[in-house]
Amino acid sequence: GIQVEQSPPDLILQEGANSTLRCNFSDSVNNLQWFHQNPWGQLINLFYIPSGTKQNGRLSATTVATERYSLLYISSSQTTDSGVYFCAVGGNTGKLIFGQGTTLQVKP
Amino acid sequence: DAGVIQSPRHEVTEMGQEVTLRCKPISGHNSLFWYRQTMMRGLELLIYFNNNVPIDDSGMPEDRFSAKMPNASFSTLKIQPSEPRDSAVYFCASSLAEYYGYTFGSGTRLTVV
Repeated sequence: GIQVEQSPPDLILQEGANSTLRCNFSDSVNNLQWFHQNPWGQLINLFYIPSGTKQNGRLSATTVATERYSLLYISSSQTTDSGVYFCAVGGNTGKLIFGQGTTLQVKP
Repeated sequence: DAGVIQSPRHEVTEMGQEVTLRCKPISGHNSLFWYRQTMMRGLELLIYFNNNVPIDDSGMPEDRFSAKMPNASFSTLKIQPSEPRDSAVYFCASSLAEYYGYTFGSGTRLTVV
């Protein structure tokens, strides 16, 4: 099956800093999504992005499907950005395989 | 829309008891997914339905687990009998179709003692 690798596993930032999270996957995908799991455990969908670039406020994501990676950019980080960021990918079936996540802590 | 609704939010049960977790997907969504999250294994897909039909249940751990979707607005995940290793957070998610963004419910935290 498809393998998903996220880096870095942990990240500590000062409020206001920018960061880039990376997701590598082992095979071609038809589905790629980024999620944020907040400290209360809620999973929030950030982007559905099997290819191309999208932006939503301070967050943006780029997927280069031919090179099998995706990047999530967080600009001007805030303490509310803390939590775990998951990349999830899917191939020809409808199911998503989740990476192990990047744990982000933003300090005031 | 109220989003994906799961119940109960927390469940504590004794080993050997039957546990039923419930999920109401977003109206109009045709795909429904059950995931389990643990520290050791992360987020694992247990089973997913498309138009109320189970498509892939290869992630269901063993025969003690079963899932149903009797109609487009309701799904259950049942564990019988429950064991301590089933303790985890169980999430339900729905999407418009197989290749669209997922919306997750708030999850059910299950503790089996």
